[in-house]
Amino acid sequence: ETGVTQSPTHLIKTRGQQVTLRCSSQSGHNTVSWYQQALGQGPQFIFQYYREEENGRGNFPPRFSGLQFPNYSSELNVNALELDDSALYLCASKRDSSSGNTIYFGEGSWLTVV
Amino acid sequence: QQQVKQSPQSLIVQKGGISIINCAYENTAFDYFPWYQQFPGKGPALLIAIRPDVSEKKEGRFTISFNKSAKQFSLHIMDSQPGDSATYFCAATSTGNTPLVFGKGTRLSVIA
Repeated sequence: ETGVTQSPTHLIKTRGQQVTLRCSSQSGHNTVSWYQQALGQGPQFIFQYYREEENGRGNFPPRFSGLQFPNYSSELNVNALELDDSALYLCASKRDSSSGNTIYFGEGSWLTVV
Repeated sequence: QQQVKQSPQSLIVQKGGISIINCAYENTAFDYFPWYQQFPGKGPALLIAIRPDVSEKKEGRFTISFNKSAKQFSLHIMDSQPGDSATYFCAATSTGNTPLVFGKGTRLSVIA
């Protein structure tokens, strides 16, 4: 049990639509990251939030955006969905912004774009 | 540019045998190296992690060996069991707000 909860677990969207994925992490975990994991691949970093501010971003276009809220929940929003966006989206959290602290992953949200 | 290279892509081991998965990294700023275990339909779960100030870390049947000069680290699973069948990912990161960089994963099958 990692204390990181993601919703929904599965969803299907049509190309061009928008999607919002949600994550709830443990109390005190001020850093939340989102990763995209395509089938058969390792997770790829999308972006990271620390105390509600984005403080790192991977090689993803601006149509991937996020929010972090004071209650340790966060959102990943993807606009103008493309077929290649089909993947498992993982939320991860840790206690503060320094590395080395255990990073906890949620079970992920499976997104299928048709 | 892939910063963490993992091999093999897949591995079949007899029950009771030793499973060995290798990773190599390029960025000398990396200073934290975790291994994650992922079962189908689940998120990655932290298995064991090491920092470069030690050459080996053992937790139960799982051992990480670390070679700083070669920029390589490996996971050894002793007495492998069918329940260990999963995909294993090595990862690396550095001090600060940097994210985890993952290898491409190794699909382990332990057969009886």
